[in-house]
Amino acid sequence: DVKVTQSSRYLVKRTGEKVFLECVQDMDHENMFWYRQDPGLGLRLIYFSYDVKMKEKGDIPEGYSVSREKKERFSLILESASTNQTSMYLCASSPGTGVVGEKLFFGSGTQLSVL
Amino acid sequence: SQQGEEDPQALSIQEGENATMNCSYKTSINNLQWYRQNSGRGLVHLILIRSNEREKHSGRLRVTLDTSKKSSSLLITASRAADTASYFCAPTGQTGGFKTIFGAGTRLFVKA
Repeated sequence: DVKVTQSSRYLVKRTGEKVFLECVQDMDHENMFWYRQDPGLGLRLIYFSYDVKMKEKGDIPEGYSVSREKKERFSLILESASTNQTSMYLCASSPGTGVVGEKLFFGSGTQLSVL
Repeated sequence: SQQGEEDPQALSIQEGENATMNCSYKTSINNLQWYRQNSGRGLVHLILIRSNEREKHSGRLRVTLDTSKKSSSLLITASRAADTASYFCAPTGQTGGFKTIFGAGTRLFVKA
């Protein structure tokens, strides 16, 4: 089974801190995604990557950056955390066969609280 | 971008009853997927139906797709307390590229 691992289940940070959320997948998937989930808003796509060192903005990239130096690892970076970035962050991956609408494999999520 | 809208927002039923959730979308699709999310966890893929399919089954799940109405439904038969979760549809088409966009989901509560 594909495993997508997010490094922290819960994280508490202070405003202004630089925050790194790490995600690792073990199935050689090409595509990786970062979403945030807030009550009543569903999942919103922050960034995605379809190849090493390639990244594309999603619907809400402001205040975030990403890094994909290796195929299996996709990091989400909050340059200067703010309270409105308190949220559940979900990482996902997909094989990258070029087919639109591939099955996504999700990690368990990181609940980030910014105080 | 492509996004589905689930209906109802919340649903409460007794164990053993059937649960039906609906999804509507706006543009043409390649396929439509359904996912489940248990409280505070990641999403799990349930089923994918292609645009040229009308119905698909997987265990107690039945998904239908009506492309003329741009809608899909997910039926869970003989529901169990363990089915309590949020359910999301994800229609995907060429306009969205590789992005999969999710709506707010339907929260299902199955009472034992």
